[in-house]
Amino acid sequence: DAGITQSPRHKVTETGTPVTLRCHQTENHRYMYWYRQDPGHGLRLIHYSYGVKDTDKGEVSDGYSVSRSKTEDFLLTLESATSSQTSVYFCAISDIAGVGETQYFGPGTRLLVL
Amino acid sequence: AQTVTQSQPEMSVQEAETVTLSCTYDTSESNYYLFWYKQPPSRQMILVIRQEAYKQQNATENRFSVNFQKAAKSFSLKISDSQLGDTAMYFCAFMANTGANSKLTFGKGITLSVRP
Repeated sequence: DAGITQSPRHKVTETGTPVTLRCHQTENHRYMYWYRQDPGHGLRLIHYSYGVKDTDKGEVSDGYSVSRSKTEDFLLTLESATSSQTSVYFCAISDIAGVGETQYFGPGTRLLVL
Repeated sequence: AQTVTQSQPEMSVQEAETVTLSCTYDTSESNYYLFWYKQPPSRQMILVIRQEAYKQQNATENRFSVNFQKAAKSFSLKISDSQLGDTAMYFCAFMANTGANSKLTFGKGITLSVRP
């Protein structure tokens, strides 16, 4: 299994508070991704990174920001959490983007915004 | 934009029998990749099988095989000799080969239950 951890694994927070989720990898892979999973929607891409300090938006990026200061860490921040951001968040990594490169997923973080 | 459709929300199969999960996709790309991921109750996303669109031969991985019909834009997953551990949600996913920063597009998933 790819060495990917996510923290925290579970979090309950209140509307309007900032939240940061962390993804940590030990594979030295260049590409990292944040997805959210909601019933009836599958997984949707929030943001991704193609290198240190290089990030771009995905399909559902509104209300989220990311940072990557080291190869191994990719942070997802909800500046002011809303109930619509209650979801399960997955981090994924790949060594090469595109070219059919397989993405490997972390264990997920369940976030509840009250 | 690419879309992936999994029209069956749920399926059930008896242990040791064979089941086929359907997936269709829509794209104008000619070169792409297709994936099936499994998500058991632990929520971990696990790659089951991968298919390159330029290959005519269907991919197989032990009890898992695909029926890839490029003209029909269909990519179904066949699970033979179903086991209780196959109980999971299964997601079909598409990636166009557009170079760096190509992205995965997922279907909504299908819940498979294997009955003892």
